[in-house]
Amino acid sequence: SAVISQKPSRDICQRGTSLTIQCQVDSQVTMMFWYRQQPGQSLTLIATANQGSEATYESGFVIDKFPISRPNLTFSTLTVSNMSPEDSSIYLCSALTEGGTEAFFGQGTRLTVV
Amino acid sequence: AQSVTQLDSQVPVFEEAPVELRCNYSSSVSVYLFWYVQYPNQGLQLLLKYLSGSTLVKGINGFEAEFNKSQTSFHLRKPSVHISDTAEYFCAVSERSGGSYIPTFGRGTSLIVHP
Repeated sequence: SAVISQKPSRDICQRGTSLTIQCQVDSQVTMMFWYRQQPGQSLTLIATANQGSEATYESGFVIDKFPISRPNLTFSTLTVSNMSPEDSSIYLCSALTEGGTEAFFGQGTRLTVV
Repeated sequence: AQSVTQLDSQVPVFEEAPVELRCNYSSSVSVYLFWYVQYPNQGLQLLLKYLSGSTLVKGINGFEAEFNKSQTSFHLRKPSVHISDTAEYFCAVSERSGGSYIPTFGRGTSLIVHP
């Protein structure tokens, strides 16, 4: 298993600004990825964070809006850039351990853009 | 591609009553199946998973689920719910082939337990 620490847990931001969310795992993991959970909806995969290379984005998400870093096997960041109220959501960091079949999740970041 | 359908967006139930949360999936390959629970203002916690073997799997907090391949279902059940079971429940599927195991989630079912 893996314990994932995510911060901040919540934030209220002005439109047009950017917020960087940090995700730290207590052990080395093979895969890290980011989900968005909009109010009353399911989790939508944003991208897979790749160590040492550009993230792999899902349809509808682009690097300019959601730049992602993963400098090592235990840490990743997601930036929400040039925010608008439509970006208000919960952002969840997730990871898969080597040989593991189930994903582990951080506590989430509840973002409100005003 | 895989997909998950949770038929009920909200399930109200009285305390100590039984409950079933429904989940159907579609995939062209063999899958792993999961149920996660999300309590208010928290992340997702794994309740149980089906990888292979017995189709009836037991999880934490007295929950169990049954994999039915012919009906492509993985319904979650609990014989007697508690107030503390009030939460959002997500069914998820990941495909065995390709090795990525990144789960796809259903829309979630809000379980509301009334006293």
